[in-house]
Amino acid sequence: DQQVKQNSPSLSVQEGRISILNCDYTNSMFDYFLWYKKYPAEGPTFLISISSIKDKNEDGRFTVFLNKSAKHLSLHIVPSQPGDSAVYFCAASAFQGAQKLVFGQGTRLTINP
Amino acid sequence: KAGVTQTPRYLIKTRGQQVTLSCSPISGHRSVSWYQQTPGQGLQFLFEYFSETQRNKGNFPGRFSGRQFSNSRSEMNVSTLELGDSALYLCASSQGDQETQYFGPGTRLLVL
Repeated sequence: DQQVKQNSPSLSVQEGRISILNCDYTNSMFDYFLWYKKYPAEGPTFLISISSIKDKNEDGRFTVFLNKSAKHLSLHIVPSQPGDSAVYFCAASAFQGAQKLVFGQGTRLTINP
Repeated sequence: KAGVTQTPRYLIKTRGQQVTLSCSPISGHRSVSWYQQTPGQGLQFLFEYFSETQRNKGNFPGRFSGRQFSNSRSEMNVSTLELGDSALYLCASSQGDQETQYFGPGTRLLVL
């Protein structure tokens, strides 16, 4: 039972354009969501998070949107840069068991020059 | 501040052996979580320790165990290794509940 799903295994975007990565979840107890970026042979690097009391959080080029009724979140990167090429994971946790992150399968983002 | 460190970075073992992996969290972080990453199952939560106590546990067999020391450093142990235990084992630390978890570089374990 996959509680967090990233349905696009890969995404290719032109440099300078917007990258939109999507994530869906099924567990209504999830109330904290994070995005991580991962390069091969490295651990995930934290990008941005959002709690369920908000519907948007912005940090520089990264914006995360949360639609609780649809159980959907998305990460927008604008403008996309070649260094953004990596695998992106969304993760979720519930207040009880808060440190237990449930991850999606990841989306490989490729930024083309 | 130094990041999360994990040792060793790479390890080769044979079936039936046991292995111990080590994690040093970011200074001041009291929560340490462990995850397993495999191509088939993705990133899966193993367990979490806070103040030397296991607070959360994922769906892994009892062969997987861990502990945390008074300085917040943590170890995880896998006994009677199986081929399917080959994976990247990641450690993450955070200051507390629903605080951001920061990951180490991982230990890549290969079981032959």
